[in-house]
Amino acid sequence: NAGVTQTPKFRVLKTGQSMTLLCAQDMNHEYMYWYRQDPGMGLRLIHYSVGEGTTAKGEVPDGYNVSRLKKQNFLLGLESAAPSQTSVYFCASGTGTGLAQFGPGTRLTVT
Amino acid sequence: GQSLEQPSEVTAVEGAIVQINCTYQTSGFYGLSWYQQHDGGAPTFLSYNALDGLEETGRFSSFLSRSDSYGYLLLQELQMKDSASYFCAVGSGNTGKLIFGQGTTLQVKP
Repeated sequence: NAGVTQTPKFRVLKTGQSMTLLCAQDMNHEYMYWYRQDPGMGLRLIHYSVGEGTTAKGEVPDGYNVSRLKKQNFLLGLESAAPSQTSVYFCASGTGTGLAQFGPGTRLTVT
Repeated sequence: GQSLEQPSEVTAVEGAIVQINCTYQTSGFYGLSWYQQHDGGAPTFLSYNALDGLEETGRFSSFLSRSDSYGYLLLQELQMKDSASYFCAVGSGNTGKLIFGQGTTLQVKP
C-alpha cells in the first residue's frame, strides 16, 4: 500500500500562473483534506471532501479550487498563483472521525 | 466554528515526563486526535480519543474530558527523537472537518 501520495513534491511558480496538485490514496477512505502549513504555523484546512463528487470549504479556501471526481483522488487547483500562496501543502485522507493519514507534502514557491 | 488552544513550546529533559494540553471549541464533536511532526516531515497520527478517559499507546497516552472540552497528550520516558511538533485536532461529525491546533514544539534536552 502506498498510503497517500502527492505530486509534485516541489514546484516554483510565477505570480499569475496556474497549477494543480494531485493527491491519491489507496485506503478506500471517504474523507480527504487539503491543508497548508506556513513556517511555525499549524495546519490550516483549505478544502475537504466527504465523498466522491463532494467538496466543501475549509478555513482558508480563497484562491483555491478542488475536485473529487474519483474516490481515490483529490485535486487542488490554484488558478492565479500569488506570493501569499507560498507554503507547504499537505493532503490527508481519513475515516472522518479524526484519524487521518498524510501525504509527504508539496513545497510550493510563488515568485 | 472550531478552535483549539495548545501551548506553543514545551521543554523537558531526556527521561522525563511531559504533558501537552489542548482545549477546544467545536460543534458536533466527534473526537480528539494527536499528531506528531518532525522538522521537514509530514504529520503522523499518534492517538485518538472519542470517549472520556485515558488511551495508552506505549510511551504515549492521551486523555479526554468531553465535559471540559479538554484533552492532553502525555509523553513518558522522553527520548531525544521525541523532539518535534505535536498537534491536537478535532473532528466534527456534523461537517466532516478535521481542524488542527497551532501546534506545540517540544524540545528534549540531554
